[in-house]
Amino acid sequence: GNSVTQMEGPVTLSEEAFLTINCTYTATGYPSLFWYVQYPGEGLQLLLKATKADDKGSNKGFEATYRKETTSFHLEKGSVQVSDSAVYFCALGSGYSTLTFGKGTMLLVSP
Amino acid sequence: NAGVTQTPKFRVLKTGQSMTLLCAQDMNHEYMYWYRQDPGMGLRLIHYSVGEGTTAKGEVPDGYNVSRLKKQNFLLGLESAAPSQTSVYFCASRDATRVTYNEQFFGPGTRLTVL
Repeated sequence: GNSVTQMEGPVTLSEEAFLTINCTYTATGYPSLFWYVQYPGEGLQLLLKATKADDKGSNKGFEATYRKETTSFHLEKGSVQVSDSAVYFCALGSGYSTLTFGKGTMLLVSP
Repeated sequence: NAGVTQTPKFRVLKTGQSMTLLCAQDMNHEYMYWYRQDPGMGLRLIHYSVGEGTTAKGEVPDGYNVSRLKKQNFLLGLESAAPSQTSVYFCASRDATRVTYNEQFFGPGTRLTVL
């Protein structure tokens, strides 16, 4: 079956630091990959997505590249802000199936 | 558009009580989902629906029932609440035509405590 593994948190960074949150997956076929973000007290929002190998998803300074050879979809941002503090979820979806989520990684950014 | 809304936002139940959580979406989406979120567990799918009048079990369906009588609404019921059902519940919906993207839109959540 499908599964998603992402690095455990919390990840603690200072403002303007470089961010990487690792995500690897196991899936049959050719899944789509997503990063969702959850701000405190809110639901999940789609941050970015990629639908095929070598696609790069990007949004709000965040990027992730769909790497089929390493089955990875790592999230990166060059310079984090305090407002980026949230929980980040990696997820995959395949065809008509439901989404499979990782356990989430909490990011804490201090001024 | 309101997107996906959930009612109520918070609820406290005693063991054995019943309740229904309501999810509504105004995006004319075919697919709807119920998840629960627990610390360190991520989101786990409870039940989902691929259209009006249809439902299917997800990863953790025991102790829950659902109904999709109208396309825009998806109800999650707890017939006899247990402390293990203390969680944050999220509803989501998706446009069935956008198969490639599989993007789901989430509600704000319902925080349920069972004493």
